[in-house]
This record gives sequence, C-alpha cells and structure tokens, in this order.
Amino acid sequence: GAGVSQSPSNKVTEKGKDVELRCDPISGHTALYWYRQRLGQGLEFLIYFQGNSAPDKSGLPSDRFSAERTGESVSTLTIQRTQQEDSAVYLCASRVSGGQDQPQHFGDGTRLSIL
Amino acid sequence: QKEVEQDPGPLSVPEGAIVSLNCTYSNSAFQYFMWYRQYSRKGPELLMYTYSSGNKEDGRFTAQVDKSSKYISLFIRDSQPSDSATYLCAMSGGSYIPTFGRGTSLIVHP
Repeated sequence: GAGVSQSPSNKVTEKGKDVELRCDPISGHTALYWYRQRLGQGLEFLIYFQGNSAPDKSGLPSDRFSAERTGESVSTLTIQRTQQEDSAVYLCASRVSGGQDQPQHFGDGTRLSIL
Repeated sequence: QKEVEQDPGPLSVPEGAIVSLNCTYSNSAFQYFMWYRQYSRKGPELLMYTYSSGNKEDGRFTAQVDKSSKYISLFIRDSQPSDSATYLCAMSGGSYIPTFGRGTSLIVHP
C-alpha cells in the first residue's frame, strides 16, 4: 500500500500497563508526526520527526509518553503506566520533506481504550 | 483566543444543497491552507490544499482563502449523503507543525 500504515488499529488494555503504537510512513516521506484525537475533539500535536534531526517533543503531555524513529522509517509511540485519560485515537501523519508547504498524509489511527 | 476557530456543528443539510464550511485564524504567518475530510473511524484525508488568496476548484469542491480577513472556506456543491463526515481546516506557516481547527461535523440527509 502507498499510504501511512498504523498498527494495531485497536488496542484495549488495563490501566497501568504500557502500550506501544506503530506507524509506517509513506516511502520517501522524511517528516513524521504523532497526534492524539479525543472523542469529538480536534487534533492534539504530540511529536514531530524530521529526518535525522532531534525531534520536536513539545506536545508530549507527560514523561509517560515517548516516541522513537530510526532514520526515515517506522516510528513507535510508547505510553507507560497508562491512565484512563489516555483513551483516544492516536494518529500518525507523514509529509515529504521540503518545507512547510507540503501537506500531511494521515493513517487511520490506533484506537486506544484504557479500562 | 485560539489560533484557528472552526464551528463544530453539526451542520445538517438536504441532499443537493450547497455547503459552506469556514475557519477563521489569527496568525498572520499562516501561508498554506488545507482542508481534510474525516469519516468515522478513519484518519483525515487531504481534500484541498492552497497557498494563495482566491479560489481553487476541484470537482464539486471549492476552497477559498481571504488572507486580508484571515478567513477560509470550503464549498461543496450538489452535496451527497456520502459527503457526511467531519471537515477539518489546517494551516501552516512559520512552523513545521500545522495548526488544525477542531472540525465541523456535516450531515447530508437524503
């Protein structure tokens, strides 16, 4: 497929457990973003990767959240010691490098439910 | 005041109507404007992208940007039930992190 791929599509876990979400961007897209979308709300920026540069982590809500990306490939978002307020859809987007004028392309997200 | 304001709706229209969706913004640095459509349980899908004031047309969709008023619109002609979705505006300029509106829920009933 040519689009952004996210897995799992759904994840249900107990409060206090750690979860790992995966994003496979469009091939050749060097910029990658993670967002959180709570029910009925807009997109909340979490973190931004651009090539091999240091990521912009300014949107991460707490130190329980972290993300990694190796080069220009797959990224993983990890949430430690999950809380009920972490329940949301986590969306990944990628963009062709080249500046702010390139639009983002989104995956279908991971729907995370914390019991 | 939020950087981007978008009425969440819902906006309910009959099939065949012309739909107008709007966003206002306050950041003069915004230069690039996008509209995304998001169906339930799906990710946002890029519909329209423009960077200049004026109109851009693609099929039944027209994006309009008025930088002097800091106002953007998306018009949908001959609306169909399949257009029922949430429409998000997004803008960028001065930062690599776009700013999104919270989305407008559109319902087109037969």
